[in-house]
Amino acid sequence: EAGVVQSPRYKIIEKKQPVAFWCNPISGHNTLYWYLQNLGQGPELLIRYENEEAVDDSQLPKDRFSAERLKGVDSTLKIQPAELGDSAVYLCASSFSSDTQYFGPGTRLTVL
Amino acid sequence: AQSVAQPEDQVNVAEGNPLTVKCTYSVSGNPYLFWYVQYPNRGLQFLLKYITGDNLVKGSYGFEAEFNKSQTSFHLKKPSALVSDSALYFCAVLNTGGFKTIFGAGTRLFVKA
Repeated sequence: EAGVVQSPRYKIIEKKQPVAFWCNPISGHNTLYWYLQNLGQGPELLIRYENEEAVDDSQLPKDRFSAERLKGVDSTLKIQPAELGDSAVYLCASSFSSDTQYFGPGTRLTVL
Repeated sequence: AQSVAQPEDQVNVAEGNPLTVKCTYSVSGNPYLFWYVQYPNRGLQFLLKYITGDNLVKGSYGFEAEFNKSQTSFHLKKPSALVSDSALYFCAVLNTGGFKTIFGAGTRLFVKA
């Protein structure tokens, strides 16, 4: 069984540029999560989807971050414009009915 | 406020010795409890979980965890550590009321040969 797929694995951009991350969850998993992980810290939830509906986006900085999960399968997280403080690892995870989460390898973003 | 605490930033243990990584939580109701492990440049991997039943839960790679309701703790244990167990370990708690998962800050485990 394929795991959670994320791309790209690494991204380096200049500040004020846009950036997008893509995630394909495990087949059959209806819940999808985007997390931000700073170095040496635990993941912090940005947004959680149940199928195509964003059910928890309270921690998503909506002035610059957006996400979508069209058709309730894969998802895209976008930052526009990126700031220096956005440098972090962006993790995607999926689960069946909000239980055990399975994580992708993450995208390491560096903003210069 | 709901929270998860991992009081040790780092745990050092010699190979072959038992290890314990501590976790306490403050979450209302009867939460689900999880341990995840993260190796360098990798995402988190599920180790084990407690939902209900026996307080001692067995998981992957010989790890187990003990749930203590009165102390609101869920400590991760292994009888004999391996060098390959060296990694970052995260405790997580799922509030079944709002289905929100809270992660601890992580504990780095070093196992010396």
